[in-house]
Amino acid sequence: AQSVAQPEDQVNVAEGNPLTVKCTYSVSGNPYLFWYVQYPNRGLQFLLKYITGDNLVKGSYGFEAEFNKSQTSFHLKKPSALVSDSALYFCAVRTENSGYSTLTFGKGTMLLVSP
Amino acid sequence: DTAVSQTPKYLVTQMGNDKSIKCEQNLGHDTMYWYKQDSKKFLKIMFSYNNKELIINETVPNRFSPKSPDKAHLNLHINSLELGDSAVYFCASSQGGLVIYEQYFGPGTRLTVT
Repeated sequence: AQSVAQPEDQVNVAEGNPLTVKCTYSVSGNPYLFWYVQYPNRGLQFLLKYITGDNLVKGSYGFEAEFNKSQTSFHLKKPSALVSDSALYFCAVRTENSGYSTLTFGKGTMLLVSP
Repeated sequence: DTAVSQTPKYLVTQMGNDKSIKCEQNLGHDTMYWYKQDSKKFLKIMFSYNNKELIINETVPNRFSPKSPDKAHLNLHINSLELGDSAVYFCASSQGGLVIYEQYFGPGTRLTVT
């Protein structure tokens, strides 16, 4: 079964510092990986995805993610954190079900950026 | 323009009641989903419809019945509500099939069963 793991419940970082939110995956076949962000009392918003190609994927709001096949990881990164980046971040992997694709999400990582 | 909308945003009701949540998308997508997010923020898919046909049903109790009158709408009806049904329910949509398209989520409906 396809799955992703987010080992950290919470990540704390000071504004202006680089941030990393970790995700590892377990899939059979090629992995299709996603990052979503959930702001308080809001729905999930798509940030970026890895399907194939360049291992460094750039997404919305200055975020990027690095796909590492040997380490089965897809960590989310940003060079300089903003207080407004504080939110819940979900890693997800494509799962095939009945000939269709759906997403299996990790448990989420709360990112807190302090001023 | 709201891409994926849900009504109501909040729903407070008593055990044993029946309630419905409505979802509409104006993105022209052919696939819609219902997710449940529990109190620990864990997100799990419940159902998926493609072109008004049920394609995914993830061992959800029979008390939950989705209905898709057309490609742009996916409603969720819940019978005999239980305390454990309290959660945030998210609707989402995407282009379907095996091609890997991202999903767009609605704002969620917070259901509280007392």
